[in-house]
Amino acid sequence: DGGITQSPKYLFRKEGQNVTLSCEQNLNHDAMYWYRQDPGQGLRLIYYSQIVNDFQKGDIAEGYSVSREKKESFPLTVTSAQKNPTAFYLCASSVRLQETQYFGPGTRLLVL
Amino acid sequence: GEDVEQSLFLSVREGDSSVINCTYTDSSSTYLYWYKQEPGAGLQLLTYIFSNMDMKQDQRLTVLLNKKDKHLSLRIADTQTGDSAIYFCAENPNTGFQKLVFGTGTRLLVSP
Repeated sequence: DGGITQSPKYLFRKEGQNVTLSCEQNLNHDAMYWYRQDPGQGLRLIYYSQIVNDFQKGDIAEGYSVSREKKESFPLTVTSAQKNPTAFYLCASSVRLQETQYFGPGTRLLVL
Repeated sequence: GEDVEQSLFLSVREGDSSVINCTYTDSSSTYLYWYKQEPGAGLQLLTYIFSNMDMKQDQRLTVLLNKKDKHLSLRIADTQTGDSAIYFCAENPNTGFQKLVFGTGTRLLVSP
């Protein structure tokens, strides 16, 4: 079954802690994306990657970091520099940049 | 500029038709999309329309595109309670960084 998986479903972060959200896809897509969704709001792009070992900042990259060492995987780290991390995080992928995006089920991050 | 607007809320009764509207500003967009988000879940691609089309029908869904007015609509026939969700339109601009630009979403509430 092809698709995008995100883990964990819920994640709790303590003050000053870095946490990493996982995103894996087996669709053989080149491009991957991370979005943040706040209650009642649309999606804001954090980072995107169009190919392995390459990634670019989106609209709200401050306080976040990513890596793209494998085609299938695009983990997102929420660093302690992100002062308001509570949100729903969505990962997506597409065959190539600009093409139709498919989404994972999301990770909800809460601050303790 | 890139700006996709949607009304925030729509309430209908079961069995009625729902019409969700969207306006966009980038006339160079090649594809326009409708995604559905159920509570606590990721975005599910519902349908999309190529910019040289006026209409696309897929079972209970009808997408209308008015390029002159940059207006996109999604009509759901015989709306069911399972259609209650947030609906996002998105455009795929052909200028600048060619990423999807999402609207803020329309929350559809279907009452029995």
